[in-house]
Amino acid sequence: AQKVTQAQTEISVVEKEDVTLDCVYETRDTTYYLFWYKQPPSGELVFLIRRNSFDEQNEISGRYSWNFQKSTSSFNFTITASQVVDSAVYFCALGRNNDMRFGAGTRLTVKP
Amino acid sequence: AAGVIQSPRHLIKEKRETATLKCYPIPRHDTVYWYQQGPGQDPQFLISFYEKMQSDKGSIPDRFSAQQFSDYHSELNMSSLELGDSALYFCASSLGQPTGELFFGEGSRLTVL
Repeated sequence: AQKVTQAQTEISVVEKEDVTLDCVYETRDTTYYLFWYKQPPSGELVFLIRRNSFDEQNEISGRYSWNFQKSTSSFNFTITASQVVDSAVYFCALGRNNDMRFGAGTRLTVKP
Repeated sequence: AAGVIQSPRHLIKEKRETATLKCYPIPRHDTVYWYQQGPGQDPQFLISFYEKMQSDKGSIPDRFSAQQFSDYHSELNMSSLELGDSALYFCASSLGQPTGELFFGEGSRLTVL
C-alpha cells in the first residue's frame, strides 16, 4: 500500500526562523517519485520539487532544501529564514504510474 | 508559459443538479488527472486519462464520469450532486507516463447547496 504521513498538522514560526516539514512514506515499489507542493490561501497547488527513488541527492533551491533518505523513507523539506509569504499548506506526495497519493498536509504560519 | 486551465473557477449548484468542469492541459501534455480536495483535506485522486483513454481510476463516485477529447481537454461530469461533493476540484496534466511532473490547474471550487 502507498501511504504518505505528514505528522505535523500545523507549525507556527516567527519570520527568519528555519523550519523543517517532515514527510514519511510507505511503498513496496522500487521505482517511485516524491513531490512537495505548496498550497497558499488562494488555493492553487504550486509544484516545488520532484525526486525519483533512485536519486538520493539532497537539493537546495534558494531558501528551500530537501533531504531524501531512503533508509528512513523520509523526504523532509526545510525552509531557511522563513518569510510571511511562505505561509501555506505544504503537501508531500508519493507518485507511481498514474496515482499520486498526498499526505494530509502541514499548515505553516509564519508570523512577522 | 501556458498552464493548466480550469473552468469555471467557481460553481454553485443545488442538490441533485448536474455540474460539468472543464480542463485544458498544457499544450503537448497527453495525460490528464482529476483530483478532489474536500475542506481541510488532502487532494484525492479521482481518475486519469492518457491519450484520450482512461488510464487509472481512483475514488471516483459512480455519479461522476469523465472523458478526454481529441484536443486533449477533459471534462468531469457530476450528476445527482450531494452536499458532500462540495470541494475544490483540481485538474493536472503531465507529459507521458509513468508519473512525470504533474502541473496542477488553479482548481474549480464547487459548492453544493
